[in-house]
Amino acid sequence: GAGVSQSPRYKVAKRGQDVALRCDPISGHVSLFWYQQALGQGPEFLTYFQNEAQLDKSGLPSDRFFAERPEGSVSTLKIQRTQKEDSAVYLCASSLDGVNTEAFFGQGTRLTVV
Amino acid sequence: DQQVKQNSPSLSVQEGRISILNCDYTNSMFDYFLWYKKYPAEGPTFLISISSIKDKNEDGRFTVFLNKSAKHLSLHIVPSQPGDSAVYFCAASDGVNYGGSQGNLIFGKGTKLSVKP
Repeated sequence: GAGVSQSPRYKVAKRGQDVALRCDPISGHVSLFWYQQALGQGPEFLTYFQNEAQLDKSGLPSDRFFAERPEGSVSTLKIQRTQKEDSAVYLCASSLDGVNTEAFFGQGTRLTVV
Repeated sequence: DQQVKQNSPSLSVQEGRISILNCDYTNSMFDYFLWYKKYPAEGPTFLISISSIKDKNEDGRFTVFLNKSAKHLSLHIVPSQPGDSAVYFCAASDGVNYGGSQGNLIFGKGTKLSVKP
């Protein structure tokens, strides 16, 4: 596709519900990142994939957060037993392989846990 | 402990004048810096970047300056236009390369720029 696509754009979940957020990166982009952006803050790193390999998940806030990219393209971020503090915009970004390349962001999924 | 700091949450500038957005960082391992622009309800859009081997990079109305000794970078927009009104994020690469690919980006909290006609 022309850009990074994320779905859904908005998600309201009841506390305790599981959610799945989808990211379609730019075709051919090897690297894929997930970020969490709380209100009034900058994006904070969650996890990184190089193709299908999850090379860094140090930013995932708890074991309720799980991400996968099984075929090295589409990625899903899953949050189990959502809590109110999970409310944020979840941003996906992709980039070409190689150092010092810019990451292109999707529009994000705004998750509200009620 | 924030590694990338944007100490001005907001900046207001008159159209046609220069906008200067500042960013400080603490990690000397950072070797690549980027500026992103974000409109409401959209994802951040890449604006301009600079490698640590340079001290200046220019692209049209946008220039980024890097002062490594001071661990400081700034984005200059000249002349400023009303369409530049947005939140600007400074980001840095943490220098960790996964088999040659770039590591994750660490962002500041952003500066909201308002350019008044």
